[in-house]
Amino acid sequence: GAVVSQHPSRVICKSGTSVKIECRSLDFQATTMFWYRQFPKQSLMLMATSNEGSKATYEQGVEKDKFLINHASLTLSTLTVTSAHPEDSSFYICSAENLGTRNSPLHFGNGTRLTVT
Amino acid sequence: QQQVKQSPQSLIVQKGGISIINCAYENTAFDYFPWYQQFPGKGPALLIAIRPDVSEKKEGRFTISFNKSAKQFSLHIMDSQPGDSATYFCAARWGAQKLVFGQGTRLTINP
Repeated sequence: GAVVSQHPSRVICKSGTSVKIECRSLDFQATTMFWYRQFPKQSLMLMATSNEGSKATYEQGVEKDKFLINHASLTLSTLTVTSAHPEDSSFYICSAENLGTRNSPLHFGNGTRLTVT
Repeated sequence: QQQVKQSPQSLIVQKGGISIINCAYENTAFDYFPWYQQFPGKGPALLIAIRPDVSEKKEGRFTISFNKSAKQFSLHIMDSQPGDSATYFCAARWGAQKLVFGQGTRLTINP
């Protein structure tokens, strides 16, 4: 079945450094990927929609200069948290859509736990 | 109008019982209603989904009931097992637009 791989699963970084999270669709092409943030015991909050070959669309209140998204190929999107601060600590999850399948569902990665010290 | 309201926030069910989680929406343009299951530290996994042209869909022990006129849909887990203990999210979407999630229900199945 369709699989979305997210890497790393966990990362700890110091304040002020940048962290890159990768999201790959392993067996299908994804023209669109979505990036979510999830706080403990809360729902998923959409941060941005990543479109292959074009600029990402950010949700209201999400700082595009802090959360840099690149979708350079049909199988890879990256989220870079720049100049990370402790309040950026969260669970980041990506999802991808297999547009080659009619009525395709969204598949989610296993998330990245970011801890900023 | 973009919201999907989910209830209850938490639910405890005895093993073998039926777990029922409800969701309501406002946007009549929504045409896809999935349910996701999420275990701690993992991403959500698609459990079952329905489109508004049917009123019910069943896959194994999981059933979605859909009431288009009331703009409500629910997940029923029959013969609930301890392994079903997880957080469940309903969601809604129209076309290729973004998925709108409910608030989540933390389900605990007592052995």
